[in-house]
Amino acid sequence: QKEVEQDPGPLSVPEGAIVSLNCTYSNSAFQYFMWYRQYSRKGPELLMYTYSSGNKEDGRFTAQVDKSSKYISLFIRDSQPSDSATYLCAMKGAGSYQLTFGKGTKLSVIP
Amino acid sequence: GAVVSQHPSWVICKSGTSVKIECRSLDFQATTMFWYRQFPKQSLMLMATSNEGSKATYEQGVEKDKFLINHASLTLSTLTVTSAHPEDSSFYICSALTSGRVVEGFNEQFFGPGTRLTVL
Repeated sequence: QKEVEQDPGPLSVPEGAIVSLNCTYSNSAFQYFMWYRQYSRKGPELLMYTYSSGNKEDGRFTAQVDKSSKYISLFIRDSQPSDSATYLCAMKGAGSYQLTFGKGTKLSVIP
Repeated sequence: GAVVSQHPSWVICKSGTSVKIECRSLDFQATTMFWYRQFPKQSLMLMATSNEGSKATYEQGVEKDKFLINHASLTLSTLTVTSAHPEDSSFYICSALTSGRVVEGFNEQFFGPGTRLTVL
């Protein structure tokens, strides 16, 4: 079993839809949970991070972490064509710099 | 702020040659940089951790003699792929830690735009 599992998609939604992306993980030592956005042939850009369990909201984006289920989610409200990208989840333990990434989910928002 | 650049963005080379990739932190000093490799439809895999002024720490399965890393200054780390072969063709991405920006114990890594290496 891989440490982080993420459905690679692709996921195609109409503009304005609510998008749900998620990852599962197996390492209970992970304490920080990140979502990155990566455009084609570009480096990842941090969208949000969450420490331990709970929710975090930033504009149209909401990140949720359920440590009991080892499950994290990213919700995008009112999706826009500019949201079309690959979304990577990543995790790390406290006191560690090493990030463990999921494979990424490719999202297309159709106008 | 916190911009990381990579050069070149795309390189094509013949099998057996060596290729050097540069990673620069443009507006901050980075004592620690990371090198990742990303194959198509795969996740970023950490290759090595590069600390300024000391030897790099390589992940299991990564050949340190093939992937030479030098972190000679606080703003520059280089990755040299020696005797490259077609199986080394990949997207190489570096990231840098900002030592001065720690919030809730979280120290963000800023990623470069990546270098696409194609070995013929």
